Amino acid sequence: QKEVEQNSGPLSVPEGAIASLNCTYSDRGSQSFFWYRQYSGKSPELIMFIYSNGDKEDGRFTAQLNKASQYVSLLIRDSQPSDSATYLCAVGRYSTLTFGKGTMLLVSP
Amino acid sequence: KAGVTQTPRYLIKTRGQQVTLSCSPISGHRSVSWYQQTPGQGLQFLFEYFSETQRNKGNFPGRFSGRQFSNSRSEMNVSTLELGDSALYLCASSLAIGGGETQYFGPGTRLLVL
Repeated sequence: QKEVEQNSGPLSVPEGAIASLNCTYSDRGSQSFFWYRQYSGKSPELIMFIYSNGDKEDGRFTAQLNKASQYVSLLIRDSQPSDSATYLCAVGRYSTLTFGKGTMLLVSP
Repeated sequence: KAGVTQTPRYLIKTRGQQVTLSCSPISGHRSVSWYQQTPGQGLQFLFEYFSETQRNKGNFPGRFSGRQFSNSRSEMNVSTLELGDSALYLCASSLAIGGGETQYFGPGTRLLVL
């Protein structure tokens, strides 16, 4: 059974700090990796996707993938209170996504 | 481009009834996936449709079914509702070219079963 594990949190960081969110997955055949942000009462919103080992940067966000370790992470630089949300890691294979249960991030002013 | 739309947004039903939820994907997207989200279980995959065919199915009972129309719009149906079916039902669409495509979510339908 495919599993995606995330620390449920909450992860608390002060405004301006770097938030580090981690995710591990069990299916070695996984092909694509996604980070979604979900505000309370809203639907998930895509932040980033990554397919290859290494880092991928987009603005304040950096996704890191290590397929050998089956590990994906998301770094949020200069965290803002508006970043407070639940972050969902999703792992894809053959057009289906398996989601982790999410990590709640709290950014305090 | 308009995003994924879902109707209705909120629904209240009683046990034993059935319900049909609708999803219109982003224009040009051919794949539609459905998910159930509950506080305890998180986001769980129900099924995925591509070109009117169910390509993948999650581990849900047969009471949960779906279909996709030629214009890529999709519906899911839940028969004989149970209290545990109360959840946020999310639809996501993707281009589905080459597999493993990025999925974009609609706003969801919040179903409450009494």
